[in-house]
Amino acid sequence: EAGVTQFPSHSVIEKGQTVTLRCDPISGHDNLYWYRRVMGKEIKFLLHFVKESKQDESGMPNNRFLAERTGGTYSTLKVQPAELEDSGVYFCASSQVWDGYEQFFGPGTRLTVL
Amino acid sequence: DQQVKQNSPSLSVQEGRISILNCDYTNSMFDYFLWYKKYPAEGPTFLISISSIKDKNEDGRFTVFLNKSAKHLSLHIVPSQPGDSAVYFCAASQNTGNQFYFGTGTSLTVIP
Repeated sequence: EAGVTQFPSHSVIEKGQTVTLRCDPISGHDNLYWYRRVMGKEIKFLLHFVKESKQDESGMPNNRFLAERTGGTYSTLKVQPAELEDSGVYFCASSQVWDGYEQFFGPGTRLTVL
Repeated sequence: DQQVKQNSPSLSVQEGRISILNCDYTNSMFDYFLWYKKYPAEGPTFLISISSIKDKNEDGRFTVFLNKSAKHLSLHIVPSQPGDSAVYFCAASQNTGNQFYFGTGTSLTVIP
C-alpha cells in the first residue's frame, strides 16, 4: 500500500511569490491534515479535512494560506504571497475516519522563502 | 502557549542501555498520547501510543508510561540500538480524529 506522498520535496521561492504544495493521502483515508515545522520548533497543526470539508482550520496562520481538497482525494496548500517566516517543512498526514488516532505522515515539503 | 513540551533537545545513550525520553503537557483534556519517530528527510512515523485510561503500554523494546496527575509521559527504549537514533516527538490529542499537539522533539543518539 502506498503511503502519503507530497510534492515537491523542496521548494525555494522569493518573498512575494506563490507556491502550491500537494499531498496525496493513503487511499481510503478520509482524514487529511496539514502540519508545519519551523526549524527546531514543534510540529504545528494547520488544518484538518474530513473528505472535502474543512473540519478544523484553527491553525492556519493567516489568509495568505489556502488549502483545498476537491473531491476528497488529494489536497493542495497554497501560500500567496509567501513571506520569509513561511519557511519550514510542511507535513501532510492522513488517517481513516474510524481510527483517527494514528496519523500517517508524508515525507514533507521543505519550503525556503528568500 | 505550547501545550506539549519536550525539555531535552538531545540525549546520548550507549548501545544496550536504557533510553528514557520525557514529555510534559499542560492540557488536562488530552486523552490520547503518542510517540513518533523521525529520521532525517522523512516524515514522522508512529511508534507507540497510550490512552488516558492506562498508565503503561508496552510494545517490544518500547514502553510508554503516563502519569496523569503530573501531566507527564515518558518513553523507555530497552535495550537501545544504534538504529533507534532519530528524533522522537511526543504528541497529544483530545478526541479521536482531532489535531495532534506535538512537542519540539528529542534527538536520540545511540552510541555503538
